[in-house]
Amino acid sequence: EPEVTQTPSHQVTQMGQEVILRCVPISNHLYFYWYRQILGQKVEFLVSFYNNEISEKSEIFDDQFSVERPDGSNFTLKIRSTKLEDSAMYFCASSQLGQGGEGYTFGSGTRLTVV
Amino acid sequence: GESVGLHLPTLSVQEGDNSIINCAYSNSASDYFIWYKQESGKGPQFIIDIRSNMDKRQGQRVTVLLNKTVKHLSLQIAATQPGDSAVYFCAETPPYNFNKFYFGSGTKLNVKP
Repeated sequence: EPEVTQTPSHQVTQMGQEVILRCVPISNHLYFYWYRQILGQKVEFLVSFYNNEISEKSEIFDDQFSVERPDGSNFTLKIRSTKLEDSAMYFCASSQLGQGGEGYTFGSGTRLTVV
Repeated sequence: GESVGLHLPTLSVQEGDNSIINCAYSNSASDYFIWYKQESGKGPQFIIDIRSNMDKRQGQRVTVLLNKTVKHLSLQIAATQPGDSAVYFCAETPPYNFNKFYFGSGTKLNVKP
C-alpha cells in the first residue's frame, strides 16, 4: 500500500536553529499538507500546497515557516529559527484530488524537540 | 477557529464489547466529517467518513452516526479487539473546503483482554 514517508523520525535541535523536515508524498498525489500535534493536544492544520504554491495556511504558519517542493518527490517544511514551543509532532499528508476520505494519507510524523 | 471536541478523554472496554466514542462539533455548516485512528508513533489513519446529507454510515465493524440537530458525531466499534486500542479523533472540514481538517482532542480507547 502506498505510504507517505517522513524523515527523520525524531529531530532534536537547539533553540534558534533552522530545521528542515522532509516528506515524500505518495507518487501520484497532487496536494500536500503539513499538520502539527503538540504533545497531548489536537492535531492542527498548518498549510496546504498545490501546483507549487501555498493554497491555504493557518495563523500558526507565520514567517518562520516555509514549505517547498524542491524536486518531483520531496515536500519540505522549514522552520527558520526554532522556538521551544515549536516542539511537536509534525505530520505530512498528501491527497490525489484535494479531497478527504481514504485518499488523504498521513505520514508517521517527525517528532521535533527544541532544547 | 473551528471547535471540535470530545466528551471523554479515555474509554476502557472489554474485548468483544461494543465501543462508542463521541464527538461534538461547533460549525453547523460543516458538511464532511472523518474519524481517524492514531496508534502510538504513527500518523492518523482513516477509519470512516460521512457527509452531512447522511445520518449513518457503516463500514467493517464500524458505524458513524451524525446528528446535525445537536451537532454530534459518534463512532461505534463492534466486537472491540485489542488491536483497536488507540486514540480516536473526529475531524471536520470547513464548508466547501476539503483542503484541511479541524481535529478534535482525541479519545484514548483501551481494550482489556
